[in-house]
Amino acid sequence: GENVEQHPSTLSVQEGDSAVIKCTYSDSASNYFPWYKQELGKRPQLIIDIRSNVGEKKDQRIAVTLNKTAKHFSLHITETQPEDSAVYFCAEAETGANSKLTFGKGITLSVRP
Amino acid sequence: GAVVSQHPSWVICKSGTSVKIECRSLDFQATTMFWYRQFPKQSLMLMATSNEGSKATYEQGVEKDKFLINHASLTLSTLTVTSAHPEDSSFYICSARGTSPAYNEQFFGPGTRLTVL
Repeated sequence: GENVEQHPSTLSVQEGDSAVIKCTYSDSASNYFPWYKQELGKRPQLIIDIRSNVGEKKDQRIAVTLNKTAKHFSLHITETQPEDSAVYFCAEAETGANSKLTFGKGITLSVRP
Repeated sequence: GAVVSQHPSWVICKSGTSVKIECRSLDFQATTMFWYRQFPKQSLMLMATSNEGSKATYEQGVEKDKFLINHASLTLSTLTVTSAHPEDSSFYICSARGTSPAYNEQFFGPGTRLTVL
């Protein structure tokens, strides 16, 4: 991975609404795209990931979409809840023994009750 | 499964002292471990990649003589911050990857909060 841009940097939504966070990347060789949720002072937790051979993946209220042509991938959270409030990081990596994750700068999601 | 622990969870030390942080994969063998540093309200910055039985690979700008990494076994990697100074105060997080690199997934430890006085 080379560079991952994440935007917006902050997002505030009303409880029950949907939240969408987008990341763009520059390395065309990247083929693994995870999303992490990090609560204050805690470890990043993998919430969903996608590989380049699929365009979309869903897990209950969370989904990720990937557009390899445009080099961007997005996290979709539906029916947001206050406990979804956290910092979300996207990342990307190539497959292989020397693979390492490159993280975006993170977005602070606030869900207003 | 895939649990990674770190010890200590927090440490306060005086300037000039050295601090060792341990990262353990509890239920799987980690051929590769990664060390990250995270300053407040910032992203995770990779410091180095540690492979069992070989020298760590440091990222650009990370002093290898200051941040000593040892990956002595498939379940343990240590990071030693030598001659720590206040600017080294940060949240240090390790992660571990299993023996199938094709899967990429890294499992993170709970982090170590280092405060240098």
